[in-house]
Amino acid sequence: DADVTQTPRNRITKTGKRIMLECSQTKGHDRMYWYRQDPGLGLRLIYYSFDVKDINKGEISDGYSVSRQAQAKFSLSLESAIPNQTALYFCATSDPGRGGYGYTFGSGTRLTVV
Amino acid sequence: AQSVTQLGSHVSVSEGALVLLRCNYSSSVPPYLFWYVQYPNQGLQLLLKYTSAATLVKGINGFEAEFKKSETSFHLTKPSAHMSDAAEYFCAVSTPTGYSTLTFGKGTMLLVSP
Repeated sequence: DADVTQTPRNRITKTGKRIMLECSQTKGHDRMYWYRQDPGLGLRLIYYSFDVKDINKGEISDGYSVSRQAQAKFSLSLESAIPNQTALYFCATSDPGRGGYGYTFGSGTRLTVV
Repeated sequence: AQSVTQLGSHVSVSEGALVLLRCNYSSSVPPYLFWYVQYPNQGLQLLLKYTSAATLVKGINGFEAEFKKSETSFHLTKPSAHMSDAAEYFCAVSTPTGYSTLTFGKGTMLLVSP
């Protein structure tokens, strides 16, 4: 099994629908992240969580919410999806004691909003 | 605050030629620097990292990068390009502080021609 698992891998949804992207990790790390990748824009941070009780907005949090259900699970929700949220979404986890170079990424969820 | 600038959204080289992908960073404290590679329809793979040890860092697949503090640069090089190197490359920065996150550049697509 992968260290960081994202579900679904691909999803097509309609404008206005609520959708949840799920992420689970087996690394035992406290820190988890959601990034969004768009062509020509690189990866941008949406939300991050340094432990189960800690949630922080990233660079582009508008239109998104998150839930940290357990140390191993971190879900990203789009309450009312819009077409410009079409993107590739990555979940990641990191080792807090290593300054960020212990990042492990999932394989990504490709979301299309029509 | 931290940021990364990758010069050139696309770089084209011939097979066997030198690969040079440019990255400049901005950070208020000494940074950690990374290069990631993304092959088509795949996730992110760590190529190499600089975490304040040797300034010349060797990574996988024959890539290396040199940290130059005076130039705030961390350029990625490979002496001889292979067709299999065609991918998108991302430079990223974080810091050793306890609450740092990973900030990515916009990416450089490497095209390798026969």
